[in-house]
Amino acid sequence: NAGVMQNPRHLVRRRGQEARLRCSPMKGHSHVYWYRQLPEEGLKFMVYLQKENIIDESGMPKERFSAEFPKEGPSILRIQQVVRGDSAAYFCASSRTGGDDGYTFGSGTRLTVV
Amino acid sequence: KQEVTQIPAALSVPEGENLVLNCSFTDSAIYNLQWFRQDPGKGLTSLLLIQSSQREQTSGRLNASLDKSSGRSTLYIAASQPGDSATYLCAVDNYGQNFVFGPGTRLSVLP
Repeated sequence: NAGVMQNPRHLVRRRGQEARLRCSPMKGHSHVYWYRQLPEEGLKFMVYLQKENIIDESGMPKERFSAEFPKEGPSILRIQQVVRGDSAAYFCASSRTGGDDGYTFGSGTRLTVV
Repeated sequence: KQEVTQIPAALSVPEGENLVLNCSFTDSAIYNLQWFRQDPGKGLTSLLLIQSSQREQTSGRLNASLDKSSGRSTLYIAASQPGDSATYLCAVDNYGQNFVFGPGTRLSVLP
């Protein structure tokens, strides 16, 4: 029973390029959460999705960032026209029931913008 | 708005000591609280989950308590080992919407 799978583990993008981060939740989990950890800072909530729906995107920057969780396939966090300030570790978590049984985190994607 | 703080920010102890990490939160209307550990450059490993109706959870040398009324949780680590060196994160669940994380306690256990 694989855990939360995130890929790629490391991603390097030049300024202005697009970054696509993928997250496959644990089997049986339909709730997905994305968090960002900036260097030397804590984890900050970005967005909460269920299949085909965005439940809470209050932590998402208004521009350049978007997320989806389609009916089939992984959840995608997309960052357009990346800037150096986007360099961070992006973590995905999933839960089965929206929190009753806690959350399981993936190993993260470390994005470096050069 | 929920805010989570952790004390101390960093802790260095000799191997074998028992230690306590503290977590405080401002809004007591929480769903549950979860403790994680994060090793440098790695993801988060769940240690203990305490649901709002519970007061404590234990796993091996770890014991976590929750006092919702005072907005506090403690993580107790018995007989610390060098392998326990990591950053410990407390996270509060606001009714399944999202987690609010504390800044973490960076623990170093010296052999």
